[in-house]
Amino acid sequence: KQEVTQIPAALSVPEGENLVLNCSFTDSAIYNLQWFRQDPGKGLTSLLLIQSSQREQTSGRLNASLDKSSGRSTLYIAASQPGDSATYLCAVRLSGSARQLTFGSGTQLTVLP
Amino acid sequence: DVKVTQSSRYLVKRTGEKVFLECVQDMDHENMFWYRQDPGLGLRLIYFSYDVKMKEKGDIPEGYSVSREKKERFSLILESASTNQTSMYLCASSKDGARSGNTIYFGEGSWLTVV
Repeated sequence: KQEVTQIPAALSVPEGENLVLNCSFTDSAIYNLQWFRQDPGKGLTSLLLIQSSQREQTSGRLNASLDKSSGRSTLYIAASQPGDSATYLCAVRLSGSARQLTFGSGTQLTVLP
Repeated sequence: DVKVTQSSRYLVKRTGEKVFLECVQDMDHENMFWYRQDPGLGLRLIYFSYDVKMKEKGDIPEGYSVSREKKERFSLILESASTNQTSMYLCASSKDGARSGNTIYFGEGSWLTVV
């Protein structure tokens, strides 16, 4: 069974820092990996999706990388801002079935002004 | 932009009541999902639908049923609500065939409290 782990569970940084969030998964035979942002009490907002054939995706200050062989993905946030404060989740899709999506438990990020 | 709309953001129901949570998506997506999210347990899949009238059980279907009579609408039904069903419920959709590829989009969530 696929397991997805996100460490650390919580992270606090001063504004302006560059930071890396980690996501690891146990089964490397994935179809894609998606990063989400969740604000308190709200739903999940998709940030980046990386297909299994890709190594990275970029959107603005965000860059997500994927290393299937080691079972890892990272989300890099450049020049962090207080508005980046949220919980960040990764989700791994294991097979061709859309229901085979496994979520990590998230990293709660606080960016201090 | 894709929009997934959950009709109720906050509900308070009594134990034993029948509860309907409605979800509508506006992008002609084949797949729709219901998850619940609890502290320490993360997101868990309750039910998944890949087409009208088609459904598959997720990881925690007990105590729930679903209905998908139209492509854009996916309803979650709690036949007899219990206090352990107090949770945040998240609806999602994706456009997908048999193979991988597409982004999954979430609604804003429905907070259900059963008293």
